[in-house]
Amino acid sequence: DGGITQSPKYLFRKEGQNVTLSCEQNLNHDAMYWYRQDPGQGLRLIYYSQIVNDFQKGDIAEGYSVSREKKESFPLTVTSAQKNPTAFYLCASSPDSSSYNEQFFGPGTRLTVL
Amino acid sequence: DAKTTQPPSMDCAEGRAANLPCNHSTISGNEYVYWYRQIHSQGPQYIIHGLKNNETNEMASLIITEDRKSSTLILPHATLRDTAVYYCIVRVGAGNQFYFGTGTSLTVIP
Repeated sequence: DGGITQSPKYLFRKEGQNVTLSCEQNLNHDAMYWYRQDPGQGLRLIYYSQIVNDFQKGDIAEGYSVSREKKESFPLTVTSAQKNPTAFYLCASSPDSSSYNEQFFGPGTRLTVL
Repeated sequence: DAKTTQPPSMDCAEGRAANLPCNHSTISGNEYVYWYRQIHSQGPQYIIHGLKNNETNEMASLIITEDRKSSTLILPHATLRDTAVYYCIVRVGAGNQFYFGTGTSLTVIP
């Protein structure tokens, strides 16, 4: 099956620890995105990547880091510098960054920092 | 940035058409209108998108006004499984970024 996978579905971490969220896609898409969603809110863009070895900050990049070493993978690291990391994290991909392409979303990872 | 305005919540009787409005008065000429929906704690699901003309697919119809300042998503025969938050998105930045608002929470009533 083609699609986007995120793992794990639920993640618990202690305050002050870095944590990496996985996002993999086998759709052969060039562009990938990370969003954060807080309760009752819409999605906010953290980082996006239009091509391998390139990525750009979104609206709320502080306290997060990403890498794009492979086309199919776009992991997100939530660092200890992120003041309020507890949230629902969503990864998405699109064929390229053209404005007419829809984005395909993964199932999400719910991160809880204790 | 182009922004969207949607009613926070709507109800619809099962089997009836659900009409979800969206205002996007600052939309630019090359910005598409997208609709997604999200069922609680799942990833958003793509529904439909359009630029100028009305669009229809197996899930829904999208009606865009001639001046492109508003649109309506139509679910022709709502079912209980259509209960979700529906997002109207029109801002597409340099990286095809989607800017989500808070959406409309649609409840389909038996």
